[in-house]
Amino acid sequence: GEDVEQSLFLSVREGDSSVINCTYTDSSSTYLYWYKQEPGAGLQLLTYIFSNMDMKQDQRLTVLLNKKDKHLSLRIADTQTGDSAIYFCAEITYSGAGSYQLTFGKGTKLSVIP
Amino acid sequence: DVKVTQSSRYLVKRTGEKVFLECVQDMDHENMFWYRQDPGLGLRLIYFSYDVKMKEKGDIPEGYSVSREKKERFSLILESASTNQTSMYLCASSFNRGYIQYFGAGTRLSVL
Repeated sequence: GEDVEQSLFLSVREGDSSVINCTYTDSSSTYLYWYKQEPGAGLQLLTYIFSNMDMKQDQRLTVLLNKKDKHLSLRIADTQTGDSAIYFCAEITYSGAGSYQLTFGKGTKLSVIP
Repeated sequence: DVKVTQSSRYLVKRTGEKVFLECVQDMDHENMFWYRQDPGLGLRLIYFSYDVKMKEKGDIPEGYSVSREKKERFSLILESASTNQTSMYLCASSFNRGYIQYFGAGTRLSVL
């Protein structure tokens, strides 16, 4: 079955860049996503990338997609303490009869050291 | 802004009780989803629905059922709660067959 892998923890100093990596397995995924979860809250969609793109930039966020290696990364520039959260990578997979579902990684907990 | 509202943030129930978790969305989305989130396991899909009165099993449906009588409301039912159902439950909704899912704040359920 499909699987999405990401490291569980990342620690960076405030002001540095953070890079969170993810590998996925479904080569037919048309969209890949990054969600953010702050403590005690639900998931917030940060950004997503269509599979025919290599890169997407949105303010401090840069998403890189390597389709050949099935590797997705999220770079956060000038990381702030407010960026401390769990970041989930997700891919969309076709579950049959015209329906789709998201498969999530286990999440990377980003800790920002002041 | 899309709003997905889960009726309770925290819930404590006893083993064997019937538990209802409610989710309401205000964007006329066709699709609604229930996930559970456990440390080290990430999010796992329990059930989803693409239309009123329609439901499909996700990856871990055992011990759960769902109800979708109205488009805006999707209920998760634990017929007889067990301690291994202690978890964070997240509801999501989407348009476009699930391409972009919007999440509620979650319900943290403890079964004693």
